[in-house]
Amino acid sequence: DTAVSQTPKYLVTQMGNDKSIKCEQNLGHDTMYWYKQDSKKFLKIMFSYNNKELIINETVPNRFSPKSPDKAHLNLHINSLELGDSAVYFCASSQLTSGGAKDIQYFGAGTRLSVL
Amino acid sequence: DAKTTQPPSMDCAEGRAANLPCNHSTISGNEYVYWYRQIHSQGPQYIIHGLKNNETNEMASLIITEDRKSSTLILPHATLRDTAVYYCIVRGSYNTDKLIFGTGTRLQVFP
Repeated sequence: DTAVSQTPKYLVTQMGNDKSIKCEQNLGHDTMYWYKQDSKKFLKIMFSYNNKELIINETVPNRFSPKSPDKAHLNLHINSLELGDSAVYFCASSQLTSGGAKDIQYFGAGTRLSVL
Repeated sequence: DAKTTQPPSMDCAEGRAANLPCNHSTISGNEYVYWYRQIHSQGPQYIIHGLKNNETNEMASLIITEDRKSSTLILPHATLRDTAVYYCIVRGSYNTDKLIFGTGTRLQVFP
């Protein structure tokens, strides 16, 4: 079984549409993340949820809204998609009981979003 | 911004040790050094991390200088599958601290 799974793997859509990316982890972790990797390969954190509570919220347009229905799932909804949203989005999870002493994050395979 | 500096690229012959350096001269006492790698088109993969002592696991060894201002990741016997971008990251000890990925070192292992 895949530890961190994202769907869909590829997403091609028109500008202005609304889309969602789903993420599930079966590792029993308490913390989940969304990262964005742009065309220049810079990987940046967007959000983090710890026990369903938002703990990291980077400077991201409010068109991006994460939702964590339970500890095993963290979905990303994007409204009014723009060309600049084209990127690879990675979900990750970790067990943060020891905080930074053991932030071993497991990443999904990524969702490649193309906005036309 | 990333608090680390790494060479943009390195080459290594297959079977030889790959030594990847990282400078983190502004590291604080409660900050850990993490190494992740990203093989082409895949999600990043955790390799190893440490605070001040040297660490070893099944993938690699991490050597941290006594002043903690730099570290070296060692892949003892590089294989072609180790070709990837390697990220050295400094992370604080709070839950709200983040992994901030810089530009990393692109390691090319050649036959």
